[in-house]
Amino acid sequence: NAGVTQTPKFQVLKTGQSMTLQCAQDMNHNSMYWYRQDPGMGLRLIYYSASEGTTDKGEVPNGYNVSRLNKREFSLRLESAAPSQTSVYFCASSPFTAGVYTQYFGPGTRLTVL
Amino acid sequence: SQQGEEDPQALSIQEGENATMNCSYKTSINNLQWYRQNSGRGLVHLILIRSNEREKHSGRLRVTLDTSKKSSSLLITASRAADTASYFCATDLTGGGNKLTFGTGTQLKVEL
Repeated sequence: NAGVTQTPKFQVLKTGQSMTLQCAQDMNHNSMYWYRQDPGMGLRLIYYSASEGTTDKGEVPNGYNVSRLNKREFSLRLESAAPSQTSVYFCASSPFTAGVYTQYFGPGTRLTVL
Repeated sequence: SQQGEEDPQALSIQEGENATMNCSYKTSINNLQWYRQNSGRGLVHLILIRSNEREKHSGRLRVTLDTSKKSSSLLITASRAADTASYFCATDLTGGGNKLTFGTGTQLKVEL
């Protein structure tokens, strides 16, 4: 199993450009998440999807959109990138086992917006 | 504001010593989890403790939870250079749905 995969690994954008970050998991997990990680801020939840067909806002959703394409894939779109969106983005997935959500993370996408 | 706050922010110890890091949180939880992040990598789940548990062990890891003080600690015994990483606590809030709230992390450096 590949686990959680993310593409691309690195990306540089100019202000105003758009892009989509891709995430896929092969563990048959229902829930998927997008986080951003900034120095000294820990991980902040952008959007999540409890199950296929549903998405919900997290702590910092402004400037982002998501699509839960199917059970495996959850993409994050920046419509008009801003320098404040320079960050490392992590996708995660989670099963619901014995009443507990434990998250499995991808390797991250390092995004720089100039 | 962050639900979980780790203390200390950074910790440097010698190989073979024990490392203790703490996490405080603000509201009622179902469980608390600890994750490790090696430099430039994604987070990896280490251990989970439920709200009705006080102590949990896994290999060289020991986690305690004090719900009256809203705090948890992670102890790594006999540390190794390979333990060098950032450690995050994550809380599963009561009524919070299937989300975790992560703290700001403790950077641990284990020197030879």
